Amino acid sequence: SAVISQKPSRDICQRGTSLTIQCQVDSQVTMMFWYRQQPGQSLTLIATANQGSEATYESGFVIDKFPISRPNLTFSTLTVSNMSPEDSSIYLCSVVRHVGTDTQYFGPGTRLTVL
Amino acid sequence: GENVEQHPSTLSVQEGDSAVIKCTYSDSASNYFPWYKQELGKRPQLIIDIRSNVGEKKDQRIAVTLNKTAKHFSLHITETQPEDSAVYFCAATLSGGSNYKLTFGKGTLLTVNP
Repeated sequence: SAVISQKPSRDICQRGTSLTIQCQVDSQVTMMFWYRQQPGQSLTLIATANQGSEATYESGFVIDKFPISRPNLTFSTLTVSNMSPEDSSIYLCSVVRHVGTDTQYFGPGTRLTVL
Repeated sequence: GENVEQHPSTLSVQEGDSAVIKCTYSDSASNYFPWYKQELGKRPQLIIDIRSNVGEKKDQRIAVTLNKTAKHFSLHITETQPEDSAVYFCAATLSGGSNYKLTFGKGTLLTVNP
C-alpha cells in the first residue's frame, strides 16, 4: 500500500480567496491524481499531476482555477483559486505506485467549505 | 471517453443475506475494474479488482464477475454484516501507460440491517 497524507484535513474559506492543498506520499510513486467529491456524489477526476511538467486536466477543469504542482515523486499541491460556494467539496489525492501496477490508493481528503 | 453506469443507487439487505451491485462500461479497451468501499467520512478503500483476462475473482465473502462481451461487471457480497454498510464504487480504466485514469460509477449506498 502507500501512506498518503493531506494538509489541511479541512478548512472553511471565504469566497474569492484561494486554498492550497498538499499531498505527501511516504515513498516515490509514478502517478498522482487529484479528485473532487461533492457531497453525496461520486469521485470526479480533476487532473493528473505530472512530475516536472504541467498537469493534464480533465474536461471541465482548467489550470487557472485548479493550478497543480508536482515538484518531485512524493509531493503534489492543488490550489483552488477564486473560490465560490460551488467549490465546497472533498478534494482527494491518489497515487499509483509503480508502472505496470494498477492499484490506486487515496489520501484522506480535504473537506473544503466556502462561505 | 469511458462511461460507467452503476446500479442500484441504494440497496438495503438483512444481515446474512447477499448483496449484488452491477456496473456497465462503455469503452471496450478498458481492462482493469476495481471496486472501492467508502465509509462515511473516510477515504475510498480498494476491496477487490479484476482484470479482463479473468472472468471471476473471489476474496472470502466478496467476489467480482466480469462479462467482457456484454461490458458489465458485478460485485457480490455474501453473508453480509452490519460493517459492510458503506458506499461502494465501481470503476474502469485501461491499465498501464499514459491512458490510465479511473472512471467511477455513481456509487451504491449499501445498508445492512441487523
